[in-house]
Amino acid sequence: ETGVTQTPRHLVMGMTNKKSLKCEQHLGHNAMYWYKQSAKKPLELMFVYNFKEQTENNSVPSRFSPECPNSSHLFLHLHTLQPEDSALYLCASSQEEGGGYNEQFFGPGTRLTVL
Amino acid sequence: AQTVTQSQPEMSVQEAETVTLSCTYDTSESDYYLFWYKQPPSRQMILVIRQEAYKQQNATENRFSVNFQKAAKSFSLKISDSQLGDAAMYFCAYRSGIGSQGNLIFGKGTKLSVKP
Repeated sequence: ETGVTQTPRHLVMGMTNKKSLKCEQHLGHNAMYWYKQSAKKPLELMFVYNFKEQTENNSVPSRFSPECPNSSHLFLHLHTLQPEDSALYLCASSQEEGGGYNEQFFGPGTRLTVL
Repeated sequence: AQTVTQSQPEMSVQEAETVTLSCTYDTSESDYYLFWYKQPPSRQMILVIRQEAYKQQNATENRFSVNFQKAAKSFSLKISDSQLGDAAMYFCAYRSGIGSQGNLIFGKGTKLSVKP
């Protein structure tokens, strides 16, 4: 595997289910991100992890719970979601080294449908 | 707060022709970075081109170039000799140059179609 991978690619869940999205980066980066991509809306940054520490939480509802066990893996735990949470969830990674330009590399995303 | 606006939800271009995608942004910062990302259908988002705000020279990457107008806060993308593989969603993004965090602020995107 190379780059940023995400599993599953597609997920359908009921509002009472609990599921998890997984992201893995094979680039040796130290920062990872979760984004939500909804139709006709800009990508929304949800969470940022830098050196495994969460550095940003953009007012995301508590039904989304991130976990970063190490700098290569990032999870998004989902529970009691709402239909409006249906979207494409993108993971990204970058090498953050004290300022300057740092390209973010994106995974293919997980298409989530909440029934 | 910074915002990024892409005023063209959809654009179309004939193969081999040139197309320009528009992007404007709002910021009070003087140090920042601008990006164009491409998201092909059902494929991963990839970086097309980037521009550092402190550089006056417009960035160029093969058939892709930008027209960066700092005073006007405009950052358009020009695609020359369009190819079928250029069909995708294009997102303009802004990143503050303050601090080390790589948080990107995206526009809503422009869907580009390429006609054979």
